[in-house]
Formats: sequence, C-alpha cells, structure tokens
Amino acid sequence: QSALTQPASVSGSPGQSITISCTGTSSDVGNYNYVSWYQQQPGKAPKLMIYEVNNRPSGVSDRFSGSKSGNTASLTISGLQAEDEADYYCTSYTSSSTHVFGTGTKVTVL
Amino acid sequence: QVQLVQSGAEVKKPGSSVKVSCKASGGTFSSYAISWVRQAPGQGLEWMGGIIPIFGTTNYAQRFQGRVTITTDEATSTAYMELSSLRSEDTAVYYCARTLVDYDSSGYYYISYFDYWGQGTLVTVSS
Repeated sequence: QSALTQPASVSGSPGQSITISCTGTSSDVGNYNYVSWYQQQPGKAPKLMIYEVNNRPSGVSDRFSGSKSGNTASLTISGLQAEDEADYYCTSYTSSSTHVFGTGTKVTVL
Repeated sequence: QVQLVQSGAEVKKPGSSVKVSCKASGGTFSSYAISWVRQAPGQGLEWMGGIIPIFGTTNYAQRFQGRVTITTDEATSTAYMELSSLRSEDTAVYYCARTLVDYDSSGYYYISYFDYWGQGTLVTVSS
C-alpha cells in the first residue's frame, strides 16, 4: 500500500486560507469516508483535527475544515495563525482493511 | 479524561525483539481499538497495525506481517506491540493510539480514526 500523496510544504500569511491536498486511489480515499487529518507539532504526538472527511472533534477550531472529491481529500485552514505552523498528515482506511498515512505537509506561516 | 501512557525508551541489537506497552485510563478499554503508528527520525507517520480487544481481531500493514504482534491485556487495560527481527531501519518513535471503529449492518468493521495518542516510545536499533 503506497502512502497517500500530499504536497511537501504549503505556506501562507496570517489571516489567509490554505488548502492541503491528499491524493489516494479508488482503493482508499476514493472508496471510503474514513479520511482523517492530524496536526503534529515538533517533538509531540499527532493530534486529531478532522475525522470522517469533514467532522471536527470537540475543541478543534472551526477554522479547520475537511472535504473530499473523488480520490482527493483536502484540509483547509482559514484565518491562518502562527500556532497553525506544524506538520499535517492525512490518513485513510483501505480496501485491505488497513490504514495508510499521507506523506505529510509542512505548513509555514509567513 | 482518556490517557495512554507508553513504556520507556529502548535500545536494541539488530536481530532482537522489542515489546512496547501502552496503558489506557479514563475510558472503557474494550470499547475501542488500539493502533500502533511509528515515525522514523525526520520521516512521516506509518500505520503498523491495530487490534479490537473485544473481538481479539488484529490487522497488520502488509510490510510488517510476520514481524509484528499486537496484543492486549484487558485486565490491566494495556496494549502491547512486539516487533521482531529488528534492523537499523526500525529505529523510530512508536505511538499507540485509541482507534474508533465503525460497523456496518452486516457486522463488518472499518478502522475510522485515532482520537487519543500515547506520548511515544523511542526504539533505537544499533549494534
């Protein structure tokens, strides 16, 4: 199972919106709504930001939103803030009854 | 409040095995699955496998099949991940994560997402 494809880096100025893509195949992202997104700060464990494509856990800012179209899922961060600077990973359930993570995206706030 | 507390760092020789523990508190242990995810230095996250304690069902990523064993002890609400035939490429931080599982009307289950994570355990493989 190959890793889902994410851009290596995305950057934006404070207040702007950015979108991170996560491209898989019809065996994972395209066939299941079990796509989730995680934020990882340096030296910390990942934190759940979005689950099942577009659901936000309690306590996560509504500036974070998720969507999916075909084999590509997306995470949008609106009103970018300095604290959003981190690595972001998507993951999806697969037809092999496993999970596969994305390659990861480093978000930089300019 | 759900907490997952993992065992401490390990240094292992190539060819040996390591067993990492993950003790859960603050929730009903058997109601959720536990997954193990690893992260090599400077690299991304990699799902290794998971277990649904109530069924004793395990799923492993193909690349770890035959080398990884995930178990649970419901009496102590502890999950374990044992990785054998260690090589230098297995040097990584290993995380456990509480895993939500969805079921359909026929009883089939789907690993959905990981909502709580342990603090991570660094395993170093070096001769």
